[in-house]
Amino acid sequence: EVQLVESGGGVVRPGGSLRLSCEASGFTFEDYVMSWVRQAPGKGLEWVSGIYWNGASTGYADSVKGRFTISRDNAKNSLYLQMNSLRAEDTALYHCARRYGSTGELDHWGQGTLVTVSS
Amino acid sequence: QSALTQPASVSGSPGQSITISCTGTSSDIGSYNLVSWYQHHPGKAPKLMIYEGTKRPSGVSNRFSGSKSGNTASLTISGLRAEDEADYYCCSSAGTYVFGTGTKVTVL
Repeated sequence: EVQLVESGGGVVRPGGSLRLSCEASGFTFEDYVMSWVRQAPGKGLEWVSGIYWNGASTGYADSVKGRFTISRDNAKNSLYLQMNSLRAEDTALYHCARRYGSTGELDHWGQGTLVTVSS
Repeated sequence: QSALTQPASVSGSPGQSITISCTGTSSDIGSYNLVSWYQHHPGKAPKLMIYEGTKRPSGVSNRFSGSKSGNTASLTISGLRAEDEADYYCCSSAGTYVFGTGTKVTVL
């Protein structure tokens, strides 16, 4: 069974940093492109970042470019999101998700980890 | 890139059919068959319901179907059930991911 379990969320002050992790199991992690998607309170889903199989290629939403860094460790079946210079508007539930095929659908998601940016 | 436009809410009685629209542009929905739909119960992991506009993943009920016309994609739920009550999001993966604004489905 495919499982994605996020961790690392918490409360942080504006300007602070946080590192999220997503532990994958039930599939060959290195074969899949992975993404982070967030949902702010009362808002819709927003794609944050994605990373290719070997980590050589990454992408970011304009709202986080230059502040967030996505990475992966295929030996540990883990995906990460380093979040720096956090702002109140980064407050959200952060999900990791697996991209199934070349057409981009996200076929498995984790339940998310909550990040709250507040003074 | 702007979010795709969905109605904020759609409702129906058990057994009825409802349709959720998702409007984009000629640069995303209009040019590619790369629309997926997700069901999201708050606090749970989103679930893929439709991909490539019309295809259903294994295990998803055939009561869910997708279609596209021009720059608008649609998700139809037939034989509405209480467990279908959730938020639904469309998504275009033509380039980076762009999600829809979300639709709350209420079963009356």
